[in-house]
Amino acid sequence: DAGVTQSPTHLIKTRGQQVTLRCSPKSGHDTVSWYQQALGQGPQFIFQYYEEEERQRGNFPDRFSGHQFPNYSSELNVNALLLGDSALYLCASSLGGATEAFFGQGTRLTVV
Amino acid sequence: AQSVTQLDSHVSVSEGTPVLLRCNYSSSYSPSLFWYVQHPNTGLQLLLKYTSAATLVKGINGFEAEFKKSETSFHLTKPSAHMSDAAEYFCVVSTSNTGNQFYFGTGTSLTVIP
Repeated sequence: DAGVTQSPTHLIKTRGQQVTLRCSPKSGHDTVSWYQQALGQGPQFIFQYYEEEERQRGNFPDRFSGHQFPNYSSELNVNALLLGDSALYLCASSLGGATEAFFGQGTRLTVV
Repeated sequence: AQSVTQLDSHVSVSEGTPVLLRCNYSSSYSPSLFWYVQHPNTGLQLLLKYTSAATLVKGINGFEAEFKKSETSFHLTKPSAHMSDAAEYFCVVSTSNTGNQFYFGTGTSLTVIP
């Protein structure tokens, strides 16, 4: 079992550009959540996808959007990048309403 | 509303001595509580979880935590620290009414001195 996989592992973008991050959930999991972890902080919830729909959303602007595919994999898109978007982006997968979640290694995004 | 307060941003212990990482939570509903560990350049690994069963929870690598509702605490302990325990530790709360959205504390950095 490969667990939760994220790609790419590192990314450098210029302010104003757009970025897409990808996540493949743990085998058998149908729910994907995305978190942003700024340097020295705890992860902050961005949104959660279940059955290809956004089920919940945290306090993030509309520049942050996502998608879930029929195979349960997910993408996180960020438009009009700001320097403050530089962070580690973590994907977590779980099964339906289960309380336990498994995290990927994260994508380190640097905006210059 | 749900929130977590990790009372120490940094803890330093000698190898072989006990570890105590403190966490207080706030929740309007019956919470699920977790401790995750994060080593440099890696993702988050689940150490243990409390989901309304036994209040003393045993996890991996010799860690355990006790849920104390009266004190709204969920402190993480280990009898004897190992060098490999040096990492960042996060206390997390979630509730079913929030769709199991995780609320993280700000983290405690554990240093183990040889």
